[in-house]
Amino acid sequence: AQSVAQPEDQVNVAEGNPLTVKCTYSVSGNPYLFWYVQYPNRGLQFLLKYITGDNLVKGSYGFEAEFNKSQTSFHLKKPSALVSDSALYFCAVRPLRSGGSYIPTFGRGTSLIVHP
Amino acid sequence: EADIYQTPRYLVIGTGKKITLECSQTMGHDKMYWYQQDPGMELHLIHYSYGVNSTEKGDLSSESTVSRIRTEHFPLTLESARPSHTSQYLCASSEYSPFGGSDTQYFGPGTRLTVL
Repeated sequence: AQSVAQPEDQVNVAEGNPLTVKCTYSVSGNPYLFWYVQYPNRGLQFLLKYITGDNLVKGSYGFEAEFNKSQTSFHLKKPSALVSDSALYFCAVRPLRSGGSYIPTFGRGTSLIVHP
Repeated sequence: EADIYQTPRYLVIGTGKKITLECSQTMGHDKMYWYQQDPGMELHLIHYSYGVNSTEKGDLSSESTVSRIRTEHFPLTLESARPSHTSQYLCASSEYSPFGGSDTQYFGPGTRLTVL
């Protein structure tokens, strides 16, 4: 079975400060890892993903995420937060191994609030 | 922007009515999904499909049904709506390929359903 934990329901940060949204996962074998963002009254939008290779993944809107295999983590980061980054962020995982039958599992979501 | 569409965006109906929520994608993705999400909360997978004539129930028990007669179309039907069905319904699609596809999901804008 696979699972994702987002330990913080809410993260508060001041505009201009760095932000981190945490995600840890459990999966059999190597993972595909994803981050999605959801703005109010919208569907989710893909931000970035890790498949293989460089542990630091860069994505949309200046976000990046660091894959740490030993800690089974995939934390989302941004060097300088913007008020417009305020949204709900979801981490997701599925097994890397081949086969189209796997369904990604989502975390519970973390609400990011960036204060002016 | 992802080419996945949901109609209607908002629906208010009375108890006992039959409703169908529409979802269409033009990306040719084999896999499609329905999620239920209360505002600002976690996603619950209620149905998914691997392709035409394939439908599966998700993690959350649901009184809805789905069909997949065409690749691009994945409607969700409630035979008799109840107030407990009031929620947001998100449709998504993805494509897995053993040559590099990673099941990145593309989400529609959602249908917000209110049952009185």
